[in-house]
Amino acid sequence: KAGVTQTPRYLIKTRGQQVTLSCSPISGHRSVSWYQQTPGQGLQFLFEYFSETQRNKGNFPGRFSGRQFSNSRSEMNVSTLELGDSALYLCASSLWDRETYEQYFGPGTRLTVT
Amino acid sequence: AQSVAQPEDQVNVAEGNPLTVKCTYSVSGNPYLFWYVQYPNRGLQFLLKYITGDNLVKGSYGFEAEFNKSQTSFHLKKPSALVSDSALYFCAVRGLYSGAGSYQLTFGKGTKLSVIP
Repeated sequence: KAGVTQTPRYLIKTRGQQVTLSCSPISGHRSVSWYQQTPGQGLQFLFEYFSETQRNKGNFPGRFSGRQFSNSRSEMNVSTLELGDSALYLCASSLWDRETYEQYFGPGTRLTVT
Repeated sequence: AQSVAQPEDQVNVAEGNPLTVKCTYSVSGNPYLFWYVQYPNRGLQFLLKYITGDNLVKGSYGFEAEFNKSQTSFHLKKPSALVSDSALYFCAVRGLYSGAGSYQLTFGKGTKLSVIP
């Protein structure tokens, strides 16, 4: 079974631009979560989608948004990029299992904002 | 709110020696705890989890973790370290139910493990 895939793997953008990142979950997984990873802050939860609905949201500004499609693929968008948005963005998928909540991570998209 | 602390940014251990990566947590209710590993330029890989039952949990690649409720700790261990174990290790705790069918995972800041040949 194929793992979680994320595209693109690397991105370079300038301040003020916007960016869209894509995530394809493991087949059969309906939950997709997004995380931002930086050296200083570690892994921070952005949001989670299940069946095209946002079920949970972390403490990030409204410039960060996402969506999920009917095939469970998900995109996240960051508008008006700031230098501090430079990070590794990780996507994770899981079965909807409230007892274990085991997540499978993709390789990430490395975003650099200049 | 839940939180996870990994008190050591880096742990160095000689190959063949036992290793321990420390984690303490704070959460309301029964803790659901996880360890993940991240190799360079890769996403996180699941190692093991504690939900309930035995305090010693066995996971992938020979790793195990010991849950201690009184000390609110969940330390990762391995009897004999390999050079290939060198990576970034994250402890995580599942937080409160969001009310929308979702739980949020909160991660520690990670511990870089270096196994020296």
